[in-house]
Amino acid sequence: AQSVAQPEDQVNVAEGNPLTVKCTYSVSGNPYLFWYVQYPNRGLQFLLKYITGDNLVKGSYGFEAEFNKSQTSFHLKKPSALVSDSALYFCAVRDVTTDSWGKLQFGAGTQVVVTP
Amino acid sequence: EAQVTQNPRYLITVTGKKLTVTCSQNMNHEYMSWYRQDPGLGLRQIYYSMNVEVTDKGDVPEGYKVSRKEKRNFPLILESPSPNQTSLYFCASSGRTGRAGETQYFGPGTRLLVL
Repeated sequence: AQSVAQPEDQVNVAEGNPLTVKCTYSVSGNPYLFWYVQYPNRGLQFLLKYITGDNLVKGSYGFEAEFNKSQTSFHLKKPSALVSDSALYFCAVRDVTTDSWGKLQFGAGTQVVVTP
Repeated sequence: EAQVTQNPRYLITVTGKKLTVTCSQNMNHEYMSWYRQDPGLGLRQIYYSMNVEVTDKGDVPEGYKVSRKEKRNFPLILESPSPNQTSLYFCASSGRTGRAGETQYFGPGTRLLVL
């Protein structure tokens, strides 16, 4: 069974500084990896995904993530954080070798707080 | 506008009183799913549907029912709600059954309080 871990409950960063949100995963086969963001009182919005190909994936709002197979990680990054990036971030993984591909396993979420 | 809608957005009810949360998508998606979000637990899948009349249990199906009579609608039914079902619920959809890389699109959420 697949699993995903977000080791930090909260990440604090000053505006203009680099932002990193960590995610590690465990699957039996090949992972499909996703990042979503949730703003207060809103649903989840898709940021980016890794399916195959280039390990560096670029997504919405200036975010990117690097797939590292040897470390089973998919950390989300942004070179220069904005106050408006303050939100709850979820990493999710799908194990594509299983029959029931419909299950998307989410991490517990990481709250990002960007201070002016 | 392509979207997933949920109703109601907020609901306060009492233990045992049957309720339905509706979900509708206008993207002609085959796949739909229900999740609940609880602090520290992330999103957990309740039920999902690969197409009309095809539904299956997720990780936490106990106390919930679903139906998929039409492609666009996927209601979540709580026959006898209990306080441990107090949560934030999200409906999601994606297209092209069989393509595991499809992005899921989420509704705005329904906040349920069971007294």
